[in-house]
Formats: sequence, C-alpha cells, structure tokens
Amino acid sequence: GQSLEQPSEVTAVEGAIVQINCTYQTSGFYGLSWYQQHDGGAPTFLSYNGLDGLEETGRFSSFLSRSDSYGYLLLQELQMKDSASYFCAVRGIYGQNFVFGPGTRLSVLP
Amino acid sequence: DARVTQTPRDKVTEMGQEVTMRCQPILGHNTVFWYRQTMMQGLELLAYFRNRAPLDDSGMPKDRFSAEMPDATLATLKIQPSEPRDSAVYFCASGLGDSYEAFFGQGTRLTVV
Repeated sequence: GQSLEQPSEVTAVEGAIVQINCTYQTSGFYGLSWYQQHDGGAPTFLSYNGLDGLEETGRFSSFLSRSDSYGYLLLQELQMKDSASYFCAVRGIYGQNFVFGPGTRLSVLP
Repeated sequence: DARVTQTPRDKVTEMGQEVTMRCQPILGHNTVFWYRQTMMQGLELLAYFRNRAPLDDSGMPKDRFSAEMPDATLATLKIQPSEPRDSAVYFCASGLGDSYEAFFGQGTRLTVV
C-alpha cells in the first residue's frame, strides 16, 4: 500500500516563500504529483516529478528525492489567492491510480 | 472547453435510499477515478478504471458501493443502501494513458440524513 505525510497547516505572509513537505511510503513508486484545492472547489494539478530533482513552473517548484522518499512544493512570491489546500499524490502500482496525502492547508496573510 | 462533468452537484437523501452519481470524463480520456473526500479521511481513492475495466476498487466498501462504466462517456458510482457515514464530496477524475495528470470534476456533495 501507500501512505503519505504532510504538515496539516502552514501560514505565511504575502510575498514570502513557503515550502510544503511530503514524505511517502509506497511500493511501485512511479512519481509524485502536487494538486491545489480551494475551499469548495476541485483539486487541480500543479506539478509532477518523475525523476529526482527540481521542476519549476512559474512561481511554483516541486522537488523529489527518491532515495529519501521525500518531496516538497515550493511557492514563491505568495499571493492571497494561494490560500488553499495542497496535496501530494503518489502514482501507484498500476501507474496511474493516484493516492493522495492528507493535505496541507496554506493560509496567506496580508 | 474540455472538462469532467459530474451530476448531480448536490444530493440530499434519506438513510436507506439508493444514490447514483454520474460522471462524464473528458472525451478521449481512458482512465477514470472515483474519490471520496471528507474532513476526517481526506481524499480516498474508491475505484480506478482503465479502458472501462475496473483495475482497482480496493478502497470501496463492497457491500453497498458499486462502480461501473457502461460506456466510454459515462461512469457511475452507486450506493445502496446509503448511510449517514457516506456523507461526503465524491469526485470523479479522468486522465489519458500514462499521463501523470488527473482532471477532476466539480464533485457531488452527498448528504445522507
């Protein structure tokens, strides 16, 4: 099976940088994805790491270390609209049945 | 504008009633997922289909839940009989091949009273 751990809450101010960590235990690991979900909305895809290293997409970056079973999402130049829940998700043994972490609620303060 | 469509958006039903939730995946997508989201359990994977065949439904309570794909444009999740503990938001998502991105519908908010 798979299990993932994330901090439950993170708070930061506008313009700051925040890092959301994710550790996982899984068999048949294929990659780590990150999703954003605003209150009342649907999860939306942010980033994916299939290989070790850093992937950058605008203000968001994601990092993966397979040897440490660890990844993180880095959000730069925080904006109020970034207040949301962020989920890491592991691609499972069938290659695409994503298992989600418990989520990290990010609050961006003015 | 390609999107996953779920119906109904909201459903309130009495305990013991049958509930059917429907999902239209994005045209051309061949993988479909059903998730349940609650405050306590987060996003739980209930079922996963690839090319309409169920590949993994280990997260689904078998005694009352069933998931099917009658055709490539329709996925259904049925609960019979429903119980108050089934109250949650049920999301359907679809994907293409080995893509790492899943596209979520807006969800069905189910309340069982």
